[in-house]
Amino acid sequence: EAQVTQNPRYLITVTGKKLTVTCSQNMNHEYMSWYRQDPGLGLRQIYYSMNVEVTDKGDVPEGYKVSRKEKRNFPLILESPSPNQTSLYFCASLKQGATWGTEAFFGQGTRLTVV
Amino acid sequence: GQQLNQSPQSMFIQEGEDVSMNCTSSSIFNTWLWYKQDPGEGPVLLIALYKAGELTSNGRLTAQFGITRKDSFLNISASIPSDVGIYFCAGQGNQGGKLIFGQGTELSVKP
Repeated sequence: EAQVTQNPRYLITVTGKKLTVTCSQNMNHEYMSWYRQDPGLGLRQIYYSMNVEVTDKGDVPEGYKVSRKEKRNFPLILESPSPNQTSLYFCASLKQGATWGTEAFFGQGTRLTVV
Repeated sequence: GQQLNQSPQSMFIQEGEDVSMNCTSSSIFNTWLWYKQDPGEGPVLLIALYKAGELTSNGRLTAQFGITRKDSFLNISASIPSDVGIYFCAGQGNQGGKLIFGQGTELSVKP
């Protein structure tokens, strides 16, 4: 079954304690992305990766890092989490075609609370 | 940068009613996508539109890619309680695979 898997689903942590949210896809997609969802703001892109070892900032990258060492995995790293990073996070894997455009497949989300 | 304005932000309707929501942009998009997010889940793709003027249906859902390429709408006919959720539009411009998302429309359906 084609899927995007995020872990953990829920996480409560303290300010400054480094954490990693993992994301894995089994569809062999080149393009992956991280979003955060906040009430009234929709989904905002944090970082994206167009292929292995190719990553770039999205619209709200401050306080986050990513890596793409393998095609299937795209972890999101918070080196020193702060309360304003409390949010619902989604990883997405994108299917792209020259003629038919782009479709994004989302993981189930990670609800992060930083106290 | 490119932005999408989605409206309405929320809707509270009676079961059986039709629903309409739309997204507009100040810039042109090449792809419009509509997603639904159930509580506690990730967004799931409902309809994808790739050509200006395209009208596509998926069951009770119909979406159109505006002729100007700056807007799209989603209609849901004869709503049912399981239609409850947040609906997002998303557009892709010329920035590779980058998708821009609207703010979402939260739909509530009263049985």
